Amino acid sequence: DTGVSQNPRHKITKRGQNVTFRCDPISEHNRLYWYRQTLGQGPEFLTYFQNEAQLEKSRLLSDRFSAERPKGSFSTLEIQRTEQGDSAMYLCASSLDGLQGTGNTIYFGEGSWLTVV
Amino acid sequence: KQEVTQIPAALSVPEGENLVLNCSFTDSAIYNLQWFRQDPGKGLTSLLLIQSSQREQTSGRLNASLDKSSGRSTLYIAASQPGDSATYLCAVPTDKLIFGTGTRLQVFP
Repeated sequence: DTGVSQNPRHKITKRGQNVTFRCDPISEHNRLYWYRQTLGQGPEFLTYFQNEAQLEKSRLLSDRFSAERPKGSFSTLEIQRTEQGDSAMYLCASSLDGLQGTGNTIYFGEGSWLTVV
Repeated sequence: KQEVTQIPAALSVPEGENLVLNCSFTDSAIYNLQWFRQDPGKGLTSLLLIQSSQREQTSGRLNASLDKSSGRSTLYIAASQPGDSATYLCAVPTDKLIFGTGTRLQVFP
């Protein structure tokens, strides 16, 4: 399978614990994006990388959230001291390059569900 | 700041009907617009991508139109089937995608 891969697919954690999600993008894709989606809403942008550089972070990404993309390959999204409001699906996506003017298609993973109890 | 909205939020129709889903965006200076399908608990599947120079894009029973000047796009689904039941999302790119809230479609036999 050469698509975007996310792990774990489901995570249940107690409030206050730390969780980490991993995303493996399509191998030749330079850009990697993280989104968060809650029930009944569209995906909300969190952050994106161009290779290993994190180019933009949303205001939604509080200081409890950190994302990395070492060596410009896979990425991790860590949430520290989880809160019930963090319960959502975390989506990762990748594209070959920028999305404007090039017609580059963005490919999404299946998402990682987080439930904070 | 680009904002994307979709109406209706939900739609329930009998099998065989032709459907129109609407998407509007506030900044008409877009390069393209993309429609996605999302099954419950799943990721997003790209359906159609319309370049700003195009007015329509077709794939099977799906037809998407784009009117930049009015800030609107429509997704037309012909002869709907129960397998079309899903959430449909439109999105426009800046340096990332900005999504609408989606239309939840249920097609019943």
